[in-house]
Amino acid sequence: EPEVTQTPSHQVTQMGQEVILRCVPISNHLYFYWYRQILGQKVEFLVSFYNNEISEKSEIFDDQFSVERPDGSNFTLKIRSTKLEDSAMYFCASSLTGVEQYFGPGTRLTVT
Amino acid sequence: KNEVEQSPQNLTAQEGEFITINCSYSVGISALHWLQQHPGGGIVSLFMLSSGKKKHGRLIATINIQEKHSSLHITASHPRDSAVYICAALNTGNQFYFGTGTSLTVIP
Repeated sequence: EPEVTQTPSHQVTQMGQEVILRCVPISNHLYFYWYRQILGQKVEFLVSFYNNEISEKSEIFDDQFSVERPDGSNFTLKIRSTKLEDSAMYFCASSLTGVEQYFGPGTRLTVT
Repeated sequence: KNEVEQSPQNLTAQEGEFITINCSYSVGISALHWLQQHPGGGIVSLFMLSSGKKKHGRLIATINIQEKHSSLHITASHPRDSAVYICAALNTGNQFYFGTGTSLTVIP
């Protein structure tokens, strides 16, 4: 069964560094999403991406965040200058229709 | 203000018990998702529904659009059902609102 994959599973970085979180969505899916979950808190929507552009973003998704679909298979989330409060689990999801979503296993980002 | 409210926050049940988790939402929705988050953190989509009822194995999800309420039921609960169950409403603008989750522990 096709699945969404994410790499790395755990990333440790120093404050101020740039990180790129990678996701490979299900191959025929058209909608892509990033979510984050700070430890002990609820899942939060970051951004949705369709037709090679951002379709929705939350207030969390400020100028330090960006998303790309560089090569037609990967979907990346870049955090330009990480802060301690960016430490969280980041989930990627993809969808064929924009309704039913399939989640990846997550990348745990630790900013020290 | 939480657009999606779940109850209870925590639930402990004996193996075999029938379990109900409730979700109320305040936004206009195009769909409502029930998700399961395992202790390791991974998220699995259980149901996506916009009306009526869906059943998958021992899991049943219902939604009442007029009352803006959904329930997730687990019949004959088992320790492997122990997880956090999350209700997420997809609004008509295609944005997700997540509940805070219900942490379920099923004791053998």
